[in-house]
Amino acid sequence: QKEVEQNSGPLSVPEGAIASLNCTYSDRGSQSFFWYRQYSGKSPELIMFIYSNGDKEDGRFTAQLNKASQYVSLLIRDSQPSDSATYLCAVNTNKAAGNKLTFGGGTRVLVKP
Amino acid sequence: ETGVTQSPTHLIKTRGQQVTLRCSSQSGHNTVSWYQQALGQGPQFIFQYYREEENGRGNFPPRFSGLQFPNYSSELNVNALELDDSALYLCASSLGSGGLYNEQFFGPGTRLTVL
Repeated sequence: QKEVEQNSGPLSVPEGAIASLNCTYSDRGSQSFFWYRQYSGKSPELIMFIYSNGDKEDGRFTAQLNKASQYVSLLIRDSQPSDSATYLCAVNTNKAAGNKLTFGGGTRVLVKP
Repeated sequence: ETGVTQSPTHLIKTRGQQVTLRCSSQSGHNTVSWYQQALGQGPQFIFQYYREEENGRGNFPPRFSGLQFPNYSSELNVNALELDDSALYLCASSLGSGGLYNEQFFGPGTRLTVL
């Protein structure tokens, strides 16, 4: 079992619709969770982070965390063509191996006009 | 505020050679983490430096080594390059090495091609 799993996609979403991205993780000791957006050929850009169970909203983005189910999600409302990118879920395990981020493989999102 | 910078942008090497990649952390950040991202995959943690000391290492062989300098900039060195080392190498800076808050901000990356 991979430490952080994401559906690779592509997730095709009409412009203006809601894109829903999911991520599961295996380490129950994980403490903080991050969503990065990565355009093709570019480096990851931090868009959201969440530490507590529940929802966290920032503009058109909402992150949801359920530690009991080891599940974190990202909703993108009013999707725009500029949202077309790969979205990476990252988990901070804060263990002796360093305060590292463990990434999923990413979900590719395509927003069609 | 200055963001994370990396050099060079692109690099082509042959098998067996050695390479040094450089990273300048974001202003005010004292921790640098290095990641390797192969095509179509998520970044993989190589190691982290906090106040000039290695603060954790991922599942990479010893030929991957690093340094952090007093100004918190960092180098990643890879010896005896192999074809599989071809990847995007990402540097991320953050403030502090532990605790709950570990927001890491990435530089633009160095694209390494090994022929």
